Amino acid sequence: DAMVIQNPRYQVTQFGKPVTLSCSQTLNHNVMYWYQQKSSQAPKLLFHYYDKDFNNEADTPDNFQSRRPNTSFCFLDIRSPGLGDAAMYLCATSRDGSPRNEQFFGPGTRLTVL
Amino acid sequence: GEDVEQSLFLSVREGDSSVINCTYTDSSSTYLYWYKQEPGAGLQLLTYIFSNMDMKQDQRLTVLLNKKDKHLSRRIADTQTGDSAIYFCAEGELNNAGNMLTFGGGTRLMVKP
Repeated sequence: DAMVIQNPRYQVTQFGKPVTLSCSQTLNHNVMYWYQQKSSQAPKLLFHYYDKDFNNEADTPDNFQSRRPNTSFCFLDIRSPGLGDAAMYLCATSRDGSPRNEQFFGPGTRLTVL
Repeated sequence: GEDVEQSLFLSVREGDSSVINCTYTDSSSTYLYWYKQEPGAGLQLLTYIFSNMDMKQDQRLTVLLNKKDKHLSRRIADTQTGDSAIYFCAEGELNNAGNMLTFGGGTRLMVKP
């Protein structure tokens, strides 16, 4: 049973062409996270939503935006993708912000920028 | 800022024990985590350990924490080919926005038959 679903699994876009990645969850969790994972590197937190409250990491580029229209869905918008934005994008959820509660990860969307 | 470091690779033979080590810098971390990532998949939580513990064991998996040295290790006994994956250590920092994870770079474990 899929719990954190990411669509598409693979996304190809052109340099500068806006792209949107999608994440949905069936867990009814309050918190949703977006991570960027470049090849052979650690996942890096971009931002997260606690319910409707948006929390941006200080070093997340302005090029990256996010929307959470309801509990189940969260979107990552890249306004003008550059070659350096090619990466795996991981969505995760947790019931709340407690460290005891596991972050459940989706399978990721691999973004290629041509 | 926080920094989490791991070795990049580990190769073991099937049936041997495999130990992956991790060091971290944030002394205020409350929880430390081990995640497993198989090819093309997301991260799967293996276990976590609270910072006031020094050991946690679950079947083949043993986690040791040396808080004084900020050193975390994960040992798998009788390593199997299915254990081949990338293993990430992560530390959690609890702030007003919730529990933020900082990941190490991951250790790629290769298990040879």
